[in-house]
Amino acid sequence: GQQLNQSPQSMFIQEGEDVSMNCTSSSIFNTWLWYKQDPGEGPVLLIALYKAGELTSNGRLTAQFGITRKDSFLNISASIPSDVGIYFCAGFNSGGSNYKLTFGKGTLLTVNP
Amino acid sequence: DTAVSQTPKYLVTQMGNDKSIKCEQNLGHDTMYWYKQDSKKFLKIMFSYNNKELIINETVPNRFSPKSPDKAHLNLHINSLELGDSAVYFCASSQELLLSYNEQFFGPGTRLTVL
Repeated sequence: GQQLNQSPQSMFIQEGEDVSMNCTSSSIFNTWLWYKQDPGEGPVLLIALYKAGELTSNGRLTAQFGITRKDSFLNISASIPSDVGIYFCAGFNSGGSNYKLTFGKGTLLTVNP
Repeated sequence: DTAVSQTPKYLVTQMGNDKSIKCEQNLGHDTMYWYKQDSKKFLKIMFSYNNKELIINETVPNRFSPKSPDKAHLNLHINSLELGDSAVYFCASSQELLLSYNEQFFGPGTRLTVL
């Protein structure tokens, strides 16, 4: 099946620093998504990307859908303590037996105040 | 107010027992899902139901049986629990599955521990 490679696995940064994480796939996706999971909670959608090359921002977050449709990155600028959590990339395809989200293995972000 | 709710939040049980986890959504969505998150935080879809009809079954052992009495509920029943079933189980819902992605809203999770 499709697999997503997400890196880095974890990051320890100081408050105010910028963060970048990315995801690559062995096959193409029609949609790329970035989720955040806080401790003890379910994932929450941060950004959805629907077109190859698309660059989308949501506050301090910026994400891009790679031209090849096999990768995506997420940047967080000027990190704050509440950015702590696990960030997941996910790819979505539709048609045939698809219609499912495939998740990356997550990036654990720790922000030191 | 809660959009997607699950009960119980925590479930501790012995190997071999049968247990159920309940999920309800009040968003009026047509599609509901169950995901499993293992100890390494890897999230993987188990099932998807669209208007009470099974759409996705990701080769989950048949000890796991989802049941959808109506489109607002998708319960997960697990027979003969095994140690490897210990995980956090997330329910989610979205608008009807279409050609394009519709945002999935996740519940808070149920942490299952099998002893």
